[in-house]
Amino acid sequence: EPEVTQTPSHQVTQMGQEVILRCVPISNHLYFYWYRQILGQKVEFLVSFYNNEISEKSEIFDDQFSVERPDGSNFTLKIRSTKLEDSAMYFCARSRTGDTEAFFGQGTRLTVV
Amino acid sequence: SQQGEEDPQALSIQEGENATMNCSYKTSINNLQWYRQNSGRGLVHLILIRSNEREKHSGRLRVTLDTSKKSSSLLITASRAADTASYFCATDTGFQKLVFGTGTRLLVSP
Repeated sequence: EPEVTQTPSHQVTQMGQEVILRCVPISNHLYFYWYRQILGQKVEFLVSFYNNEISEKSEIFDDQFSVERPDGSNFTLKIRSTKLEDSAMYFCARSRTGDTEAFFGQGTRLTVV
Repeated sequence: SQQGEEDPQALSIQEGENATMNCSYKTSINNLQWYRQNSGRGLVHLILIRSNEREKHSGRLRVTLDTSKKSSSLLITASRAADTASYFCATDTGFQKLVFGTGTRLLVSP
């Protein structure tokens, strides 16, 4: 099983601050995703990213969120001005194609205070 | 019901017993995937079954898919304490995103 590494594992931030969550790429995986899981709730899709473009996004993924893969390196999720309700576990996922297994990282636990 | 609902919500069994979890969904799918999540940790991919497949095996796992009933089941045979976790089904409807269910919490007692 390919390893997907996310950093940091845990981040605490003040409300209104910007945070950047990072995911380490696997070279033969072309599709990237961000999901989140609020404590005690189901895993929710945020965004999918292919060929350096967003291919699909959910209604959760509003203007406060952005993703990029600068220079083919880490895949990042930025939250511009965090809110208390952004507190959740954020998972990065990868897949070789759009309809194959998605492999998830261990997640970043974001706590907004 | 929502896309990807599992039942039961919680299941408690003894080591050595089999555990069966069910997943129902509402829309057409390309594939259905099962994941395991240990408390507070990441999602581990278990198995993927495509819409044209009816059954798939991987070690002690057996997954079935009935597209006419829009349902899937995950069977874990000869369960172990280490199988204690939450299990989720996730449906791929072809828009490059997975829709997760609410999960089944499995507790396997020694």
